[in-house]
Amino acid sequence: DAKTTQPPSMDCAEGRAANLPCNHSTISGNEYVYWYRQIHSQGPQYIIHGLKNNETNEMASLIITEDRKSSTLILPHATLRDTAVYYCDNSGGSNYKLTFGKGTLLTVNP
Amino acid sequence: GAVVSQHPSRVICKSGTSVKIECRSLDFQATTMFWYRQFPKKSLMLMATSNEGSKATYEQGVEKDKFLINHASLTLSTLTVTSAQPEDSSFYICSARGRGSTNSPLHFGNGTRLTVT
Repeated sequence: DAKTTQPPSMDCAEGRAANLPCNHSTISGNEYVYWYRQIHSQGPQYIIHGLKNNETNEMASLIITEDRKSSTLILPHATLRDTAVYYCDNSGGSNYKLTFGKGTLLTVNP
Repeated sequence: GAVVSQHPSRVICKSGTSVKIECRSLDFQATTMFWYRQFPKKSLMLMATSNEGSKATYEQGVEKDKFLINHASLTLSTLTVTSAQPEDSSFYICSARGRGSTNSPLHFGNGTRLTVT
């Protein structure tokens, strides 16, 4: 079974906020939540990560529920260039390795 | 910062030949590098984890004699696809994690598209 569950696809209007959910119900105490995205035919790009507090950087905000079983990635003002497959993962510890589920294809429409 | 360079970006080779893909961390030391493979419209599949100076750890179902990984320095890992066959045609991507940063994010190269004819 996959560690994380995401909707296969979402649409968003340009300029609006995109809210991408992720369920990671088996997350353990020392694992972080990571978000990456992959634009077509490119390598994945790191977006943001967090342990239990909400996080914000220049790309996005990350909201993690109190029980840590789910999170939401927020792109506050989506642009056409944000069209990509978005992946979440939970991993942690000194030898963590990142595995990818199926991700969410976000399509930003003009 | 945290740039990972992968070379070549594209390669076409004939069946039976070997192809080497390089992954370099340009501005940081990478104790651990990861190699992924991606088929069209599919997610990335982790192939192996390589630690500098030691043998790579392969995921289940990945042939270690087919996909040779060398991580000889803190800035370079190589993946060699030996005796490549058409079914090895895929998008290969490497990633790296910096030294002494257990939970820091991974940084990815831009991938190598391998086509075996």
